[in-house]
Amino acid sequence: QLQLQESGPGLVKPSETLSITCTVSGGSIGSSGYFWGWVRQPPGRGLEWIGGVYYSGSTYINRSLKSRVAMSVDPSKNQFSLRLSSVTAADTALYYCAKYGDYDYFDHWGQGTLVTVSS
Amino acid sequence: DIVMTQSPDSLAVSLGERATINCKSSQSILYSSNNKKSLAWYQQKPGQPPKLLIYWASTREAGVPDRFSGSGSGTDFTLTISSLQAEDLAVYYCQQYYSTPYTFGQGTKLEIK
Repeated sequence: QLQLQESGPGLVKPSETLSITCTVSGGSIGSSGYFWGWVRQPPGRGLEWIGGVYYSGSTYINRSLKSRVAMSVDPSKNQFSLRLSSVTAADTALYYCAKYGDYDYFDHWGQGTLVTVSS
Repeated sequence: DIVMTQSPDSLAVSLGERATINCKSSQSILYSSNNKKSLAWYQQKPGQPPKLLIYWASTREAGVPDRFSGSGSGTDFTLTISSLQAEDLAVYYCQQYYSTPYTFGQGTKLEIK
C-alpha cells in the first residue's frame, strides 16, 4: 500500500527557508507516471494547493508562491522535496505531501508536518 | 483564479438521515476532452489528512462507501451522504482541478445532531 511521510524542521525563523521532504513507500516515484504534490493548511483553516513535481523534475507551482517555491525529486531515494524561501508567519501551516491521481486530484496523502514560522 | 464556494459552512444531521453539501465554482470546470467536471470531494476527519471520496464530480474512489455520492450541473455541485453514520463526522472540501492554481472550497463541517 502506498504511503507518504513528510519530514520537516518544525520551527523556522522568519526570512529563512523552509525545507520538507516526502518519502514514498509501497510504490516507486520514478516508474509511477504520476505527479507528486504539496498542499498546506494553516491551523484551523482550509487547504491551499502549492504545486506538483514529476519524476523527471518538471514542476508546476501556484503562481502566488512561485517566486519563493522550489520543488525537486530524487527517484533513487523515492523522495520529493519542497523548499519555500523568505518565510513569514503567514507560512505557518500543516504541510501535506500527496500523490496526484490520473488527473490533478490527490488520491494519497501523507499525515502532514506542522511548520511554525517564529523567531 | 477559480473560486470554490461551499455551503453551508456547517451542518448538523441526525444519524441515518441524509446530508447534503454544496459547492459552486466561479466558472465552468468542464474538461472538454472527456466532457466531465474537474471536481473532487475530500473528507478530513479530526487530526487526519484529507481523504479522496469523489473525483470527476461523481466517480467514487475505490473503497469509499456507496452512501457517498456526487453530482453536479453547470457550476453547482453536491456531495450527498445518503444515511449518515457516526464515522462521517468530518470537514468536507471540494476542489477544482480544471485550471491552476487548483483551488479548494472553504470546507463544510459536518456534525452529528
